Amino acid sequence: GEDVEQSLFLSVREGDSSVINCTYTDSSSTYLYWYKQEPGAGLQLLTYIFSNMDMKQDQRLTVLLNKKDKHLSLRIADTQTGDSAIYFCAESFYNQGGKLIFGQGTELSVKP
Amino acid sequence: GAGVSQSPSNKVTEKGKDVELRCDPISGHTALYWYRQSLGQGLEFLIYFQGNSAPDKSGLPSDRFSAERTGGSVSTLTIQRTQQEDSAVYLCASSLPDRNTEAFFGQGTRLTVV
Repeated sequence: GEDVEQSLFLSVREGDSSVINCTYTDSSSTYLYWYKQEPGAGLQLLTYIFSNMDMKQDQRLTVLLNKKDKHLSLRIADTQTGDSAIYFCAESFYNQGGKLIFGQGTELSVKP
Repeated sequence: GAGVSQSPSNKVTEKGKDVELRCDPISGHTALYWYRQSLGQGLEFLIYFQGNSAPDKSGLPSDRFSAERTGGSVSTLTIQRTQQEDSAVYLCASSLPDRNTEAFFGQGTRLTVV
């Protein structure tokens, strides 16, 4: 079945790089996503990667996908205090429309 | 409206009562989703509507939960005979019909069952 796992907490210093990891069990996913949730706010799509890609870069964000190990990561370069939030990875499937299966979320804390 | 609108933003109800949660999607978005965010459980898919197709109800946790979408726009999630374990934030999202377009989320309804 579908299962997405993330570590629950990550703490970094301002200016360092953050790496948030995600593992999934169902290899039939078509797209994998990273969403950000700030306190008291809704979910915001940060970036996504098609399942046949290995890497996608978007400004300070780098997404790496290892299909063999079913491992997805999000690297945030030069992390800022404004990056403090909960980050969710999610996957979608070819035959299930836009339905997303989310991980539990990783709470990123950026210390000055 | 400019975004997905959910109401109420907060709801406190007594155990055993029925509640209705409302979602107004972005105009023109034919796909609508309901998710539940519980403490320690992450985001859990509940139900998905796409145009006139039969909804995907595979995530509804029990027959106390139901949802409808009238006229292809507004959706209502109904929870009958609420239980304390139903306490959570209920999130609605909408998107265009293409398989990989961004789903826009509302702010959610925080439901507390006492």
